[in-house]
Amino acid sequence: EAGVVQSPRYKIIEKKQPVAFWCNPISGHNTLYWYRQNLGQGPELLIRYENEEAVDDSQLPKDRFSAERLKGVDSTLKIQPAELGDSAVYLCASTSPGQAYSGANVLTFGAGSRLTVL
Amino acid sequence: AQSVSQHNHHVILSEAASLELGCNYSYGGTVNLFWYVQYPGQHLQLLLKYFSGDPLVKGIKGFEAEFIKSKFSFNLRKPSVQWSDTAEYFCAVRKGGKLIFGQGTELSVKP
Repeated sequence: EAGVVQSPRYKIIEKKQPVAFWCNPISGHNTLYWYRQNLGQGPELLIRYENEEAVDDSQLPKDRFSAERLKGVDSTLKIQPAELGDSAVYLCASTSPGQAYSGANVLTFGAGSRLTVL
Repeated sequence: AQSVSQHNHHVILSEAASLELGCNYSYGGTVNLFWYVQYPGQHLQLLLKYFSGDPLVKGIKGFEAEFIKSKFSFNLRKPSVQWSDTAEYFCAVRKGGKLIFGQGTELSVKP
């Protein structure tokens, strides 16, 4: 079984440029998460999807960040325009409904997309 | 503010030494608890989890953790570490559908 797939693995951009990250969750996993992990810190939740609905986007900086999951499968996270402080690893994770609501919310993470803003 | 706290930022041990990494959380009520590990160059992987029942849970690679409800703690232990345990370890708490991580503890094991 393929894991959570993310691309690109690495991205270097100039500040004020746009950038997008893509995530394909594990097949059958309805819940999808985007996390941001700054250097030396734990992951911080940006947004959580149940199918195509964003059920928790309270931590997403909506002035410059956007996300979509149009068909309830893969998802895109966009930053426009990027700032120096956006340099981080952007992690995607997924879990199945049974896992999420049975108290066994075991997230499977992708390898992450490392963003460097110059 | 509600949070997950890991006591040590960086721990350095020699092989065969015993390990204990502290984790405390400040959420009341029912929580699910996790330890994730991130080996160098790899993605986050589940090490072990606690939902209910026996507060002493065993995970992969000889790791275990003890949930002490009265202390809001979920410390990770291993009796004898190996060089291959060098990694970053994250404690996490699931509360209300969210998984909240601590800041991580970097473990370096000297051969």
